[in-house]
Amino acid sequence: SAVISQKPSRDICQRGTSLTIQCQVDSQVTMMFWYRQQPGQSLTLIATANQGSEATYESGFVIDKFPISRPNLTFSTLTVSNMSPEDSSIYLCSVVSGRTGYEQYFGPGTRLTVT
Amino acid sequence: AQSVAQPEDQVNVAEGNPLTVKCTYSVSGNPYLFWYVQYPNRGLQFLLKYITGDNLVKGSYGFEAEFNKSQTSFHLKKPSALVSDSALYFCAVRGARDSSYKLIFGSGTRLLVRP
Repeated sequence: SAVISQKPSRDICQRGTSLTIQCQVDSQVTMMFWYRQQPGQSLTLIATANQGSEATYESGFVIDKFPISRPNLTFSTLTVSNMSPEDSSIYLCSVVSGRTGYEQYFGPGTRLTVT
Repeated sequence: AQSVAQPEDQVNVAEGNPLTVKCTYSVSGNPYLFWYVQYPNRGLQFLLKYITGDNLVKGSYGFEAEFNKSQTSFHLKKPSALVSDSALYFCAVRGARDSSYKLIFGSGTRLLVRP
């Protein structure tokens, strides 16, 4: 399975500021995903980030609020812009298994609290 | 539209007893089905998947799941529960013809194994 790391692991931010979350994978992967897990909730896909193309956002998520970069096949960033307390969530990146092409593997998550 | 239902918010079982965590799904065409586990302050860990073939699939930590096409179910099972199995479990699905690889997650079931 792929080894995925995220930075920061957690942060407390003030309303109106922005935070950039980094996701690093130990192998080259084509497809990366960013999910949000609000407190006590399930996972919701924010966007799909493929290298060399613009990210594809799901309904309810927009690029101005959640800009994503994918500069190469092992790295991606998600920025949470102009934060409000409603953005307090765990943000997780994931990749599709390169070996089987089926299961997704997830990073440890970034726990964001907005005050 | 694709969807996943986990009808139980919490499942309580005594250590040593068998456990079942229920999952039903709705998807166009054939499904790819997955179970993930989330321990406190940790990311999601992949447990097992059904892609095709034998309806009973075995995964990590002694867990298994049975795919039932007629009932559109994919229940997670373990013959003998451990206290360390206590965690949050998520069922996920995507359509076999879905080239986006997007996963749809259930709401999660909290498993509590008492000593």
